Amino acid sequence: AQSVSQHNHHVILSEAASLELGCNYSYGGTVNLFWYVQYPGQHLQLLLKYFSGDPLVKGIKGFEAEFIKSKFSFNLRKPSVQWSDTAEYFCAVNGGSQGNLIFGKGTKLSVKP
Amino acid sequence: DTGVSQDPRHKITKRGQNVTFRCDPISEHNRLYWYRQTLGQGPEFLTYFQNEAQLEKSRLLSDRFSAERPKGSFSTLEIQRTEQGDSAMYLCASSSSGRVNEQYFGPGTRLTVT
Repeated sequence: AQSVSQHNHHVILSEAASLELGCNYSYGGTVNLFWYVQYPGQHLQLLLKYFSGDPLVKGIKGFEAEFIKSKFSFNLRKPSVQWSDTAEYFCAVNGGSQGNLIFGKGTKLSVKP
Repeated sequence: DTGVSQDPRHKITKRGQNVTFRCDPISEHNRLYWYRQTLGQGPEFLTYFQNEAQLEKSRLLSDRFSAERPKGSFSTLEIQRTEQGDSAMYLCASSSSGRVNEQYFGPGTRLTVT
């Protein structure tokens, strides 16, 4: 069965610090990979996605993620976080012909001003 | 706003009562999904439709749960004989049927069973 593991439950950073959130998945075939963000009081929003091609994908608000197939990883990065990046971040995978997304448990990011 | 909408946003009910939630997807999307999210967890898949056909159901979807999408547009999710364990956020998402399956989520319906 597919699964997604997010390494950190809660990350606390100061503004301008660099961010890397880990995500590993288990699935042997072709996958589509996503990062969603949920700002306080708002609904889930798509941050970025990977489905083929360049393994380094760029999303909104300066976020990027790198797909490393050999490590089954899709880590999220941002060089310099802002207070407004405070949110919960979810990694998700969709494999093969399945319609549904499998989500990780999420990582809560708190950015101190 | 042409995003996914859900109604109601909050529902408080007593154990044993039936509840029904509605989801209106983005108009050009033919796929519609239901997920459930509890505190400290990511969304968990319940079921999805392509047009009016229900294509997949999770084992989380017990016999007390039923979902419909009669005309391939809006969908309803009904929970019969609610239990306290049903308390959660119920999320709806929609997508087109392309290969990438990029899903757009609604604001959710928060259910509290007392």
